[in-house]
Amino acid sequence: DIPVTQSPSTLSAFVGDRVTITCRASQSINDWLAWYQQKPAQAPKLLISKASRLESGVPSRFSGSGSGTEFTLTISSLQPDDFATYYCQHQGTFGQGTKVEI
Amino acid sequence: EVQLVESGGGLVQPGGSLTLSCAASGFSTNNYWMSWVRQAPGRGVEWVINLNHDGSVRSSVDSVKGRFIISRDNAKNSVNLQMNSLRDEDTAIYYCARELRRGGYINEGFDLWGQGTLVTVSS
Repeated sequence: DIPVTQSPSTLSAFVGDRVTITCRASQSINDWLAWYQQKPAQAPKLLISKASRLESGVPSRFSGSGSGTEFTLTISSLQPDDFATYYCQHQGTFGQGTKVEI
Repeated sequence: EVQLVESGGGLVQPGGSLTLSCAASGFSTNNYWMSWVRQAPGRGVEWVINLNHDGSVRSSVDSVKGRFIISRDNAKNSVNLQMNSLRDEDTAIYYCARELRRGGYINEGFDLWGQGTLVTVSS
């Protein structure tokens, strides 16, 4: 599997901020990248598949973009419920995670 | 309701064995690739092992090859994970997850997860 690397590892933000998390692949993975949100004591939740496809029920403030080797997850206006850890994933590899904290 | 429920976790000594079970409801596991994903305490998420829809294809991360076995129980609509020769570093919450493969040939994500079951390997 092709490794993916996330940055930053931690991000401090305010409610209402626009937040961007980056995921980079060591070689092209086309658009085969997913994003997850995980809250404490919960399983990860799929937010976005195929780089930009918003899963059913996920708020529209979440968006994904990118292709090839560089991808981003953007939260357009951070809400209190969005403070969590976010992971990118390609096939059998997950990124290291980005903790979004207040 | 579409859901996955894991069971079988617990405390086991190094070198021991444990079998986890994942019961599916609301869908048939025969129609999906199924995976086990784990998360060590305070750490990130790691994919462990998977099985295709008809049980003919299996793959796993190198660290569990030869020790972990994934299988289906079609009668119970469940997926099992037999873990042998357990090591301290196998300590984690183990999640059962359904793979999203719209085109059929590539993992696009894990769209359904169980609540997880904790496996602790310690003497």
